[in-house]
Amino acid sequence: ELKVEQNPLFLSMQEEKNYTIYCNYSTTSDRLYWYRQDPGKSLESLFVLLSNGAVKQEGRLMASLDTKARLSTLHITAAVHDLSATYFCAGVPEGTYKYIFGTGTRLKVLA
Amino acid sequence: DGGITQSPKYLFRKEGQNVTLSCEQNLNHDAMYWYRQDPGQGLRLIYYSQIVNDFQKGDIAEGYSVSREKKESFPLTVTSAQKNPTAFYLCASSATESYGYTFGSGTRLTVV
Repeated sequence: ELKVEQNPLFLSMQEEKNYTIYCNYSTTSDRLYWYRQDPGKSLESLFVLLSNGAVKQEGRLMASLDTKARLSTLHITAAVHDLSATYFCAGVPEGTYKYIFGTGTRLKVLA
Repeated sequence: DGGITQSPKYLFRKEGQNVTLSCEQNLNHDAMYWYRQDPGQGLRLIYYSQIVNDFQKGDIAEGYSVSREKKESFPLTVTSAQKNPTAFYLCASSATESYGYTFGSGTRLTVV
């Protein structure tokens, strides 16, 4: 059974600093997704990572996938206040379409 | 524009009452899903359906029921057997060939 764990659960950081959110998963996952959620809102898709070594970047966010280590990272470069949100990763058990979500990382960027 | 619509946005339920949350999509997606989110927590799968007239239980199906009579629609009923239904409910759909989810805007259910 696929389990997905994120850390840290909470992250308070200063503007212009860099930080990384980690997503570990327990068994093989066909692919790995990252989502952003603002308070009271739905989920917004950020990245989908399909293969070992995949790296995707959008603005100040960069996601990567290491399938051998069963680890994905979301790296934040030079954080700005607008990045404050909760970030989720999700894996997909082999042969299924179901997402298994991590518990989320609540990011707060302090001005 | 294609999308997935959830209604209502806010819903209040009295003790012992059944309520139904609506989820409609016009994306021609085969698969649809219901997730529950509690404050400060991740999403947990309630039910999912990959084709019309078929659905499977997720991790927390007790106290919930669904139907899939049409490809476009996947309503969720929260029954009186669900003792702690206050949560944010998210519906999603996906095409089997692309796998990516499209999420609805959610329904916030509160027991009064």
